Amino acid sequence: ETGVTQTPRHLVMGMTNKKSLKCEQHLGHNAMYWYKQSAKKPLELMFVYNFKEQTENNSVPSRFSPECPNSSHLFLHLHTLQPEDSALYLCASSQVLENTGELFFGEGSRLTVL
Amino acid sequence: QKEVEQNSGPLSVPEGAIASLNCTYSDRVSQSFFWYRQYSGKSPELIMSIYSNGDKEDGRFTAQLNKASQYVSLLIRDSQPSDSATYLCAGGGSQGNLIFGKGTKLSVKP
Repeated sequence: ETGVTQTPRHLVMGMTNKKSLKCEQHLGHNAMYWYKQSAKKPLELMFVYNFKEQTENNSVPSRFSPECPNSSHLFLHLHTLQPEDSALYLCASSQVLENTGELFFGEGSRLTVL
Repeated sequence: QKEVEQNSGPLSVPEGAIASLNCTYSDRVSQSFFWYRQYSGKSPELIMSIYSNGDKEDGRFTAQLNKASQYVSLLIRDSQPSDSATYLCAGGGSQGNLIFGKGTKLSVKP
């Protein structure tokens, strides 16, 4: 495996379900991110884990709960979502140095909330 | 002003022409800039990064940064149908993350 891998690629869930998105990076990076991509909107940063500590939340609703057990793995736990949460959820990693580093994205998890 | 702004397009150019994509940014965005290409149904992939004023060339792509005008552009020479995609401009945020524009959809007609 190389790069950033995300599972599942597609997920359909009801508003009362609990599910999780998984991300794994094989690049030796020290930061991981969750971005949300909705139609006709910019990529929205949800969470940043820098050296395994969450450093930015961006006022994400509590129905989204991140978990970063180590520098290679990142989860996004989902519960009681709303239909407007349907979107493409992208995981990314980077090596944070003095300057902002480039992001390497996974293929994304396409979420549909019924 | 939004942090990173792009014209959403679509921008349509004939094959072989130069495609010019533009982006402006606010004071809250730091001085590292990136252009990502995103094909439909795929994730963004980096095509250019630029950190200092001036031009940076890589093959058919040239990125231009003008810090005084807070302006970043991407030129694609000899455009090909395979260049048809959405191009995302991004600038550095405060926590090592990137702040993205909405993207410009480019269509290259054969």
